Amino acid sequence: EVVLTQSPGTLSLSPGERATLSCRASQSVSSSHLAWYQQKPGQAPRLLIYGASIRATGIPDRFSGSASGTDFTLTISRLEPEDFAVYYCQQYGTSPETFGQGTKVEV
Amino acid sequence: QITLKESGPTLVKPTQTLTLTCTFSGFSLSTSGVAVAWIRQPPGKALEWLALVNWIDDKRYSPSLNTRLTITKDTSKNQVVLTMTNMDPVDTATYYCAHRPRLLREFDFWGQGTLVTVSS
Repeated sequence: EVVLTQSPGTLSLSPGERATLSCRASQSVSSSHLAWYQQKPGQAPRLLIYGASIRATGIPDRFSGSASGTDFTLTISRLEPEDFAVYYCQQYGTSPETFGQGTKVEV
Repeated sequence: QITLKESGPTLVKPTQTLTLTCTFSGFSLSTSGVAVAWIRQPPGKALEWLALVNWIDDKRYSPSLNTRLTITKDTSKNQVVLTMTNMDPVDTATYYCAHRPRLLREFDFWGQGTLVTVSS
């Protein structure tokens, strides 16, 4: 199965700063089949990005995604207070589908 | 407006079988490309994909749990049911169902999740 390794485990930043989250795949993943989700405590995951770089409906443009080979990046250009959460990447191109272990963005 | 909601027991004993139901609205599981999946999350841990059923009743399972899982759909009731046999305390988790709009696509809508605790 495809193992997704997210780094760092925790990112400590302040509002207004830029956040760069990494997701590395253990084998080739089509950039068409990589998504990012945001999860806040006590809530279900929320889709942010799919197809590696396409923002989901209603997602602010401070969120962007990119891909380079087996490396995928989620960037939050300027952190807003509501962006402090845990972020997961997911690949859905190969069964079994897999999630990364998450990156927590904290103040 | 797509919504999904999980239901089932909140507490099960070790070795018992868990049955969870995902009741959804706003879409049909007979529409080409559509699928519903189950994903779980142990407390404080990461998401784990469990199983998926699509519009043509093709079913996929996590290899590590394949022997314990069964997923079924009832298109007329707008429900997807997941059964997991031989429950263990390590299966304590929040269980989510999620909607896939088309083949090889992301999960765009999720249920609120239901916490299942396995304890004697």
